[in-house]
Amino acid sequence: QVRLVQSGAEVKKPGASVKISCETFGYTFTGFFIHWVRQAPGRGLEWMGEINPNSGDTKYAQKFQGRVTMTRDTSITTAYMELISLTSGDTAVYYCARVPCKTNGVCYSDYWGPGTLVTVSS
Amino acid sequence: SYVLTQPPSVSVAPGQRARITCGGNNIGSKSVHWYHQKTGQAPVLVVYDDSDRPSGIPERFSGSNSGNTATLTINRVEVGDEADYYCQVWDASSDDWVFGGGTKLTVL
Repeated sequence: QVRLVQSGAEVKKPGASVKISCETFGYTFTGFFIHWVRQAPGRGLEWMGEINPNSGDTKYAQKFQGRVTMTRDTSITTAYMELISLTSGDTAVYYCARVPCKTNGVCYSDYWGPGTLVTVSS
Repeated sequence: SYVLTQPPSVSVAPGQRARITCGGNNIGSKSVHWYHQKTGQAPVLVVYDDSDRPSGIPERFSGSNSGNTATLTINRVEVGDEADYYCQVWDASSDDWVFGGGTKLTVL
C-alpha cells in the first residue's frame, strides 16, 4: 500500500539548516508530485512547495524562495526538503504528501507522511 | 495573495449535521479540497475537487462549492469526526497552494 515515511525529529540552532527525507513505498515514485507542507505549533497548514520526481522540477512558495531546496533520488524513491537559515519561527512539523492529478488537471494531496518535528532553539 | 476564510470553530451534537464553510473571492471558480486532522496526526483527505470522496471516506462527508463559499457537510456526525478541518485551493494568480485557517469541529 502507499506509504510515505519521513526522517526523525531534529533540533537545530538558529542559523543552521535542516534536511528532511520522505521515503515512498507502494506506488510509482515518478508518477506523482510531492508537496511539502508545514505546521507551526497550534497553527494551521502552510504550503511550502512541490517537486516533480520525474523531472526534478520544483516550485516554491514565495515565502520560502531562497531558503528552501527540494530534491529527489529516484533510485531510492525518496524526496528531500532542505531549509536553511533557520529561526525560531521555523519550529514546526513538516509533512510530505503525494499529489495525484485528475484528467481535468485538478491536483490534491491524497497520502501524507507522519510529519517531522523540527525544533529551532538556541 | 488569495485568502481562504474559515470559522475558527463549529459545534454540533452527535447525529446532527455539521457544515464547515470556506470563503474566498469567487472560490466557485476553483477546485476545493478538504482535509481533517486529528490531534497529533497528519492531515487526511476527505473531499477533493469540490465534491469527490476518496475511497474509505464515508458517504456522510460531502462537499459543495459556489460563488464565494465552499462547504463541507458532515451528516450524522459522530464523536470520531472531532478534528480540525482545512480547505485548500490552488491559486492560479500566484501559482501557490493556499490553505484556509482551519475549523475545529467539536462534537458535544
